[in-house]
Amino acid sequence: GENVEQHPSTLSVQEGDSAVIKCTYSDSASNYFPWYKQELGKRPQLIIDIRSNVGEKKDQRIAVTLNKTAKHFSLHITETQPEDSAVYFCAATGVAGGTSYGKLTFGQGTILTVHP
Amino acid sequence: DTGVSQDPRHKITKRGQNVTFRCDPISEHNRLYWYRQTLGQGPEFLTYFQNEAQLEKSRLLSDRFSAERPKGSFSTLEIQRTEQGDSAMYLCASSLAWGQKMLINEKLFFGSGTQLSVL
Repeated sequence: GENVEQHPSTLSVQEGDSAVIKCTYSDSASNYFPWYKQELGKRPQLIIDIRSNVGEKKDQRIAVTLNKTAKHFSLHITETQPEDSAVYFCAATGVAGGTSYGKLTFGQGTILTVHP
Repeated sequence: DTGVSQDPRHKITKRGQNVTFRCDPISEHNRLYWYRQTLGQGPEFLTYFQNEAQLEKSRLLSDRFSAERPKGSFSTLEIQRTEQGDSAMYLCASSLAWGQKMLINEKLFFGSGTQLSVL
């Protein structure tokens, strides 16, 4: 089955700096890669996602890049703000696992702390 | 709040007892998922439904676990004879899946979860 590794496990930045979180996946058939943000005690929230036919996607201060050859994808947050502090999870899935894009394999999470 | 709702938010039980959780998905969503999350880890897939049909179960789902979605709307997850290792956050998520087999569009929206503590 799919295995997703996420690094770093913790990341501390100053407000205004950029933050980068990296994930690798094992199953070359995976073709959908969402990122979730989870604040303490709250639900995971989808913040951005990318499919394997696209190399990069941006949404305001957030961007995701995908390298299918190397089987890794990254989350980039620019101009970080204290409210970006949360746990971020990457995930992967593919149609090869069935017809469900909701059957996700998650990484271990990155605790991002943005200091004012 | 029109998102995914779960009940209860917290459940404390003694080992050996049965527990049942409920999930109400976003109303127009046809798929419903159950995940389990332990402290410091990402969520792990347990099972999912399309309408009322349970289409897949993870090997993580032992015989003590059963899930239902009788009318294709809300779902229940029951754990029988709970063990301390069952202590975790149980997350429900729903999605609206549409499209043909290789072109399915689907985004998962999670509920806030039920935190289970087995003493």
